[in-house]
Amino acid sequence: GAGVSQTPSNKVTEKGKYVELRCDPISGHTALYWYRQSLGQGPEFLIYFQGTGAADDSGLPNDRFFAVRPEGSVSTLKIQRTERGDSAVYLCASSLRAASVETQYFGPGTRLLVL
Amino acid sequence: DQQVKQNSPSLSVQEGRISILNCDYTNSMFDYFLWYKKYPAEGPTFLISISSIKDKNEDGRFTVFLNKSAKHLSLHIVPSQPGDSAVYFCAASAISYGGSQGNLIFGKGTKLSVKP
Repeated sequence: GAGVSQTPSNKVTEKGKYVELRCDPISGHTALYWYRQSLGQGPEFLIYFQGTGAADDSGLPNDRFFAVRPEGSVSTLKIQRTERGDSAVYLCASSLRAASVETQYFGPGTRLLVL
Repeated sequence: DQQVKQNSPSLSVQEGRISILNCDYTNSMFDYFLWYKKYPAEGPTFLISISSIKDKNEDGRFTVFLNKSAKHLSLHIVPSQPGDSAVYFCAASAISYGGSQGNLIFGKGTKLSVKP
């Protein structure tokens, strides 16, 4: 079956612009996670959804970042007024349910470059 | 302040020998640990996990050891194969954290190179 997909695979934008990153989780997975991986670092937790609701958004760095999952499937990570420091790989993962023991399946990521 | 540390950025091993990747953690609330493998331009792939009630978990060529008193875990790959060459991330989670189920705290990763 299909894994987690993310679009676009690469995004180049200018400082100050708005971007949207999309994640299609594995069908039937109720939990969806967003992580950010900067160069030389491990993935860093941003936010996770259980169903349609954001159960924990404590990892979002500031209010320029926002994520939605209106129908409990596809999620969009939105970044306003992008800054050069936002450049990173944004990873999405899904799991059957939100629990540590459930395997998280990652997508290939979206590489965001802010010029 | 890093809660999960992988102090070796890289490791090179000969094919057929054992690879040992190490990971230390500081947060005593962590009670579930995982290893992920990552190839370039792909997302991390789950490899093996261990609960804090165990000290060893084995799956084929991969074994994870957990030393809770030392807050240390290691991943052993025996025998190592060239296809194992990848970046390996150690991750930790807390099953019993109130309200924050499942988000993983990752180390910086160790790049393993297995030479033929």
